Amino acid sequence: GNSVTQMEGPVTLSEEAFLTINCTYTATGYPSLFWYVQYPGEGLQLLLKATKADDKGSNKGFEATYRKETTSFHLEKGSVQVSDSAVYFCALSDGDNQGGKLIFGQGTELSVKP
Amino acid sequence: DGGITQSPKYLFRKEGQNVTLSCEQNLNHDAMYWYRQDPGQGLRLIYYSQIVNDFQKGDIAEGYSVSREKKESFPLTVTSAQKNPTAFYLCASSMGGGLAGGVYNEQFFGPGTRLTVL
Repeated sequence: GNSVTQMEGPVTLSEEAFLTINCTYTATGYPSLFWYVQYPGEGLQLLLKATKADDKGSNKGFEATYRKETTSFHLEKGSVQVSDSAVYFCALSDGDNQGGKLIFGQGTELSVKP
Repeated sequence: DGGITQSPKYLFRKEGQNVTLSCEQNLNHDAMYWYRQDPGQGLRLIYYSQIVNDFQKGDIAEGYSVSREKKESFPLTVTSAQKNPTAFYLCASSMGGGLAGGVYNEQFFGPGTRLTVL
């Protein structure tokens, strides 16, 4: 079945460091890919998305490119801030009709130190 | 202001009691979802509904029940049959409704309800 694998956390960085969180997927069809962010005690917020191969999603300095050849959707940011500390979830949907369900990775906790 | 609301934010339950978690959306979305999140883990799908008066079991439906009598509302009942109900519960909605791909799959989340069994 479809699945998403994220790099394990926690990831600890200093402010202004470069961030990469790896995400790879297994899917049939042509899924859409998403990154969600969860701040402590809150629900998930959509960070960015890509709906077809080679699309680049971007938001708030974060970027991810839909790579079909490597089945990956790695999240990157050039210079992280303390306020980026959160848990990040990679998710995919199937291109076929699956009722709009998303499949989530296990999440990667990011901690940014001043 | 469109969005999803969940109530209560914190809920305490005694063993053997049923409790109901509320989820309301005013986004005019057809599809709604309930997830469970345990510490340090990802989201697991409990139930989902693509349209009013219809819903399907997710991966961990045992010990839970839902209803979808109105488009805006998708309450979740945690029954006494759920052996380990202490968790963070998240409700989400999407345009969904059987449509496939892209924007129709983007889910919007509520702020969550933290349920603790005493």
